[in-house]
Amino acid sequence: GAVVSQHPSWVICKSGTSVKIECRSLDFQATTMFWYRQFPKQSLMLMATSNEGSKATYEQGVEKDKFLINHASLTLSTLTVTSAHPEDSSFYICSARETMAGGAYEQYFGPGTRLTVT
Amino acid sequence: EDQVTQSPEALRLQEGESSSLNCSYTVSGLRGLFWYRQDPGKGPEFLFTLYSAGEEKEKERLKATLTKKESFLHITAPKPEDSATYLCAVQGNTGFQKLVFGTGTRLLVSP
Repeated sequence: GAVVSQHPSWVICKSGTSVKIECRSLDFQATTMFWYRQFPKQSLMLMATSNEGSKATYEQGVEKDKFLINHASLTLSTLTVTSAHPEDSSFYICSARETMAGGAYEQYFGPGTRLTVT
Repeated sequence: EDQVTQSPEALRLQEGESSSLNCSYTVSGLRGLFWYRQDPGKGPEFLFTLYSAGEEKEKERLKATLTKKESFLHITAPKPEDSATYLCAVQGNTGFQKLVFGTGTRLLVSP
């Protein structure tokens, strides 16, 4: 199957600083990428959808000025958590959509990034 | 609004004891139903996509089936390494065709 990578896999930062997380589709081009957040023992919560070359679409309740998303190319999307606070500590997972023959979609996930804000 | 309900919430099996996980859904225009496996501290691992009622897909001890209202993930003769959370998601025709997830089934297979 297709591979999606994320970097870093874990990061610890101080309150008030910014953190950037990279998501790459390694062997396919992804016109659409997604960013999720997951709390312990809960399912994935979609934060935003990004399309290459255009602004991201954020889900209701997600602060777009706090979670900056850039989908700079067909294989790279970044999530920047600005002015991080302890409540931003979470597991962040990116996902990339591959368009298959016939127009069907498959969606693959990265390994996730554990963010801890102290 | 698209919705996904998974049952049971948790399932404990003995090694070799076959069972099924259920995913019931409502969606406006199904484009695909997805099954993922997630291990603790990791991102979901893609298992299957089913596109239309009647479709079936298999991978090792797993078999996924789809009807117009639900999908089943059948696990045949499970092994301890099959222990994980299994997530079901649907993709409809609205809202950027984003995936709508169920809350998952936590499977524990004991040796």
